[in-house]
Amino acid sequence: QLQLQESGPGLVKPSETLSLTCTVSDGSISSSTYYWGWIRQPPGKGLEWIGTIYYSGNTYYNPSLKSRVTISVDTSKNQFSLKLSSVTAADTAVYYCAREPRHRGYSYGFFWYFDLWGRGTLVTVSS
Amino acid sequence: QSALTQPPSASGSPGQSVTISCTGTSSDFGGYYSVSWYQQHPGKAPKLMIYEVTKRPSGVPDRFSGSKSGNTASLTVSGLQADDEADYYCSSYVGSNNLGIFGGGTKLTVL
Repeated sequence: QLQLQESGPGLVKPSETLSLTCTVSDGSISSSTYYWGWIRQPPGKGLEWIGTIYYSGNTYYNPSLKSRVTISVDTSKNQFSLKLSSVTAADTAVYYCAREPRHRGYSYGFFWYFDLWGRGTLVTVSS
Repeated sequence: QSALTQPPSASGSPGQSVTISCTGTSSDFGGYYSVSWYQQHPGKAPKLMIYEVTKRPSGVPDRFSGSKSGNTASLTVSGLQADDEADYYCSSYVGSNNLGIFGGGTKLTVL
């Protein structure tokens, strides 16, 4: 069973860049049938989609975060990564990576759901 | 930013049925098949319960069902069990805004 695992610093200073990596195990990130996404959840609050990447490098970002977000993929390491710049306390959240099924022939978002999630990692923004 | 509206709480006794609504605008549900539902227990990652409006992933009991009418999607949990007590989130993709959105979440309590 494919698994996803987030890793990265749990504490980031304000104005700095948050960097996280998601490692895909027991499966290939280069599959044509999946995208790979990041979702976050502030403590006690709801879910927010950050963005999604395909192994070819195509990306889809939440417009409200787009100016600060970069998602990249390293197929040789079976990993994809998130960078969020100029962080503030409002970026404190549990960050999840997840797998998103891709339906060939349909535009992105026609079917939109995440069928497998990592356990999540708490990132706190504080000086 | 678009948002899907869910009731903050819902409840039912064991064995009963409960329905959780998820309301948006017509554009929020632009991709008809993009409606999905997630279950989240405290301290755990969300789990996909319903996708493409009505489909259940392998392993999800058929006590969970989804539907959509107009601008409202619904999740029905039949034969409530203690383990169904959790937060539930709906989601959809707003193609006109290139934005994936989630509802605010509903806390389901099994009395």
